[in-house]
Amino acid sequence: DIVMTQSPLSLPVTPGEPASISCRSSQSLLNSNGYNLLDWYLQKPGQSPQLLIYLGSNRASGVPDRFSGSGSGTDFTLKINRVEAEDVGVYYCLQTLQPPLTFGGGTRVEIK
Amino acid sequence: EVQLLESGGGLVQPGGSLRLSCAASGFTFNKHSMSWVRQPPGKGLEWVSTINIDGATTYYADSVRGRFTISRDNSKNTLYLQMNSLRADDTATYYCAKVRPTTEPLRGFDYWGQGTLATVSS
Repeated sequence: DIVMTQSPLSLPVTPGEPASISCRSSQSLLNSNGYNLLDWYLQKPGQSPQLLIYLGSNRASGVPDRFSGSGSGTDFTLKINRVEAEDVGVYYCLQTLQPPLTFGGGTRVEIK
Repeated sequence: EVQLLESGGGLVQPGGSLRLSCAASGFTFNKHSMSWVRQPPGKGLEWVSTINIDGATTYYADSVRGRFTISRDNSKNTLYLQMNSLRADDTATYYCAKVRPTTEPLRGFDYWGQGTLATVSS
C-alpha cells in the first residue's frame, strides 16, 4: 500500500498570512500519462470533506485562488496564499494512483 | 445541484449487518463511478470501496473485502453498501462520494454526502 505522510499535524495560522502543508508518498504518484495522482481535501468543522485540488495542482470548481497545489513524484505541497478564518479545518491529501486509495493522516489548521 | 443523501446507519451488534443507501440527484448518475469513504469518530478518512459506472467493476479496501459489498441501481440513482460480519472497528461515519469526471473509476471525489453513522457495539 502507498503510505501518505502529512506534516505538520497541527498548524496555527494568523489571518492574512500564508500557510503551507506538506504531503509525502511512499512511492511516486506520477502516472504514465504524466499526471500526479494526488488530491487535497478540506474538512471544515462539522462538515463533510470537500475537494480543493486534484491531479496535484488543479483547483476544483469554486475553490478560491488563494489555494494552490504543487509538487511531483513523492513530494507535494498545499499552499494558502492568505489564510482566512473560513479556512480552518483538517486538510487531507489522497493518492489515487493505485488501490487501496490512501489518505494522509490530516493536518489541522486553526487560527492563532 | 448535486445531492448525495445517505441513510441506513444505526446501532448494530458485532457480527451483525447493515445496508447503507445513497440517493443521488443533480447529475447523470449512470455516467459516474461512486465510492464509499468512512471516518471513525475523531479520526481520519479511510477509503472503503468504489464501483464503476455500470457496476461491473468493484474495488475494496483489504479491511472490508469479503465482508462488504458495494452495488448500484442506476434505474433508482442509488448506491448501496451491504456490510456483513460487522466489527467494532467498523464504527464510523460512512460517506457516499461521487468520483470526479474521468474515464478511470479510481480517482478522487468531487462531491460528498453528509454521512451516516454506523455504530457496532454490544
